[in-house]
Amino acid sequence: DSGVTQTPKHLITATGQRVTLRCSPRSGDLSVYWYQQSLDQGLQFLIQYYNGEERAKGNILERFSAQQFPDLHSELNLSSLELGDSALYFCASSVMAGGITDTQYFGPGTRLTVL
Amino acid sequence: GEDVEQSLFLSVREGDSSVINCTYTDSSSTYLYWYKQEPGAGLQLLTYIFSNMDMKQDQRLTVLLNKKDKHLSLRIADTQTGDSAIYFCAESITDSGGFKTIFGAGTRLFVKA
Repeated sequence: DSGVTQTPKHLITATGQRVTLRCSPRSGDLSVYWYQQSLDQGLQFLIQYYNGEERAKGNILERFSAQQFPDLHSELNLSSLELGDSALYFCASSVMAGGITDTQYFGPGTRLTVL
Repeated sequence: GEDVEQSLFLSVREGDSSVINCTYTDSSSTYLYWYKQEPGAGLQLLTYIFSNMDMKQDQRLTVLLNKKDKHLSLRIADTQTGDSAIYFCAESITDSGGFKTIFGAGTRLFVKA
């Protein structure tokens, strides 16, 4: 158990809908990262927040957005969902803002299925 | 550019050694990591190596780094069926004054009893 929690575990929804994925980092960790894992794209970094502020952006679509709240939990919002958005979404957390020794700890993931 | 490449599949027999290979492109890599993902679970950090090291050993795991060729390998000795998983290679690189971690696509290890 990494100490990172994600809810829900599974989510099934229809195209065009909007969903929110939630992540609670390990106690004491200030950074939260979001990743998308699909069969054809592998593990893709989406976005990082550090202490409430956006720190780094990866391959995140404009239809997706995220935020980190004062209690450091984070939410990833996915809107206008398409079939291709079906994937595993992982959250990871780390102590700092991403230094070279700043190990990321991954949550169990949320499996999103868009029908 | 930044890219981390791994072969997609590896199949070994129980008791044999497994060697999973990875190549990376960014010469500013500072730390290189191996993560393990078991079915239905998140990624778990297995081990890491600093870029000025050639080798790191941790029980059944041996990491070899050839910085000249930008090649990283993970050797698992006496592979067990419980080692069946996807193994991700990752590099931590400097980026715009900060750092980011780039992951490979993962190597799926099958261990045959």
